[in-house]
Amino acid sequence: SQQGEEDPQALSIQEGENATMNCSYKTSINNLQWYRQNSGRGLVHLILIRSNEREKHSGRLRVTLDTSKKSSSLLITASRAADTASYFCATFRAGGTSYGKLTFGQGTILTVHP
Amino acid sequence: NAGVTQTPKFQVLKTGQSMTLQCAQDMNHNSMYWYRQDPGMGLRLIYYSASEGTTDKGEVPNGYNVSRLNKREFSLRLESAAPSQTSVYFCASLTGWRTEAFFGQGTRLTVV
Repeated sequence: SQQGEEDPQALSIQEGENATMNCSYKTSINNLQWYRQNSGRGLVHLILIRSNEREKHSGRLRVTLDTSKKSSSLLITASRAADTASYFCATFRAGGTSYGKLTFGQGTILTVHP
Repeated sequence: NAGVTQTPKFQVLKTGQSMTLQCAQDMNHNSMYWYRQDPGMGLRLIYYSASEGTTDKGEVPNGYNVSRLNKREFSLRLESAAPSQTSVYFCASLTGWRTEAFFGQGTRLTVV
């Protein structure tokens, strides 16, 4: 099974609203990353949060990480139609026999209506 | 600076044929990865190479083999293609645990 589970699987909102996506994982990690994928294209990195960080901001993005609950959330504020895409969380392990393993969740499909 | 380059971009195979997907990165990254993405799904890790000279199985390694040819190149081989291997394949690389991964544009493979 995949390391990350994302919720919701799909999210539909109006322009200007905020979008929140959640990610849960199973094992210890060194960092958690969020990526965006436009339909049929490759993935583009959005933001990385390390295991010793609790919150990080980048422009309209806010990421939180709760290692005790093994969960993270991505908030996109004041969404735009151009934010329509699939969003994936990924966890990176840097210890033990799984050193360097980068695994992805199943993603959230975000649709922002103009 | 090309980043991560995958070849080919598209491929149609007949069941039982073999082929190798090529991936090269020019960013001097230590770690490289192969994923597959099926419609409506996330990326599933096939194999990865944390550093030159090492390879490890991911979540779905059956039916695949890999070679870390050198620091730049990481190839994925299908020895006997099956329709279940129809998918989009992505290669990625990164340099360490504090950094993000960079992705190729993908290879769309159809096995008939």
